Parts: sequence; C-alpha cells; structure tokens
Amino acid sequence: GAVVSQHPSWVICKSGTSVKIECRSLDFQATTMFWYRQFPKQSLMLMATSNEGSKATYEQGVEKDKFLINHASLTLSTLTVTSAHPEDSSFYICSAPTYDYYEQYFGPGTRLTVT
Amino acid sequence: ELKVEQNPLFLSMQEGKNYTIYCNYSTTSDRLYWYRQDPGKSLESLFVLLSNGAVKQEGRLMASLDTKARLSTLHITAAVHDLSATYFCAVPGGNTPLVFGKGTRLSVIA
Repeated sequence: GAVVSQHPSWVICKSGTSVKIECRSLDFQATTMFWYRQFPKQSLMLMATSNEGSKATYEQGVEKDKFLINHASLTLSTLTVTSAHPEDSSFYICSAPTYDYYEQYFGPGTRLTVT
Repeated sequence: ELKVEQNPLFLSMQEGKNYTIYCNYSTTSDRLYWYRQDPGKSLESLFVLLSNGAVKQEGRLMASLDTKARLSTLHITAAVHDLSATYFCAVPGGNTPLVFGKGTRLSVIA
C-alpha cells in the first residue's frame, strides 16, 4: 500500500519556540493532506485540511496563526506549531487520501513535547 | 453534524473468548473504516466497508456494515493477547474526511 512518512517522529522543544513537522507521500501524489491531533487516551481530531497550491482549511477552534500549514508540493505538507506551549504537547498525525477518497494513508505520527 | 459512537470504550477480555465492538453513526454514509492503534503508534487500517451488508474478515477479526441501521460491528473470535490495542471506527463526514469514534481500548488477558 501507499506510504506516508512524517518527520520528525518525536520532538521536544521549549515553550515559545516553533516546531515544523513534515508529512510526505512517498509513492503517490496527494493534492490534499489532513492533519490530526491526538491527546493521550483520546481519539483523533481533525485540525486542518492541507491543499496543494492553496490555503489550508482549518477546523473550528484551531488557530490558523498558531498552526501554520504549507502544502508546497504534491508530496509534501508541513505543519508549523508557532510559539509552542505545553498544552500543544500531543501526537500529530497526517494522512493522505487516494484520489477518490476510498482510502486514507496515515503517517506514523509525530510526538511533540513542549517543556 | 456527524457523530460516531463506539461501545464499549474499554474492554477486558479473556484469551479464547469472543466479543463484539459496536459502532453507530448518526448520518447516512455508505462507507465505514476500522483502524487499530497500538500504544505510541499511528493508525493501521483494518477494514474498509463500502456497502450495506459488507462483511470482511481477517484472522480473528470480522467486520460488518448495516447502512440502514447505521451500525457496524467488529467481532473478535477467540481473542489472543496480540489483539490488545485500541480500535477505532471512522465514517466520512460531509466536509471532513473522517470522523472517528472515541475508540475501544481492548485488553486481552490470560
């Protein structure tokens, strides 16, 4: 099946700094990618939809100025957590759907810890 | 607004026993997904159910979909320890790609 990678797999940063997470589709092109956040022992919550060549669409309650999304190419989307705070500590997972949305391929996730 | 409800949320099973996890959703959908998540890991796709009456089996897991009842089940047969994980069902929303249930944390004990 298709593969989606994320980098880094884990990151620890200090409060107030920014962190960039990359999501790549390795063997297919993805005009759309999705970013999810998962807090411990909770389900996945969609944060935003990343669209190649256009602005991301954010879910209600997600600050677009805090979570910057750039979909620079058909295989790469980045999520930058700006001015991170401890409450931003979470597991961030990206996914990329097939062209017909039949299937979504999930990345391995990035664990962010803000100290 | 699409809501997806799973039950139970926690399940402790003895090895060798059978059990069923239920997934209800609130609006019409002709598609439903089941995923497995191990601690600290991302999601692993288990089943894609595409139509009413769809039934899929893989090893000790069998999933079914009843679109009229808006219900999917994930049946576990003769549980083994390796099945311990969190299981999520997910349904495509109108303007969102997937809406997930809260997950069922399964623990299989000897």
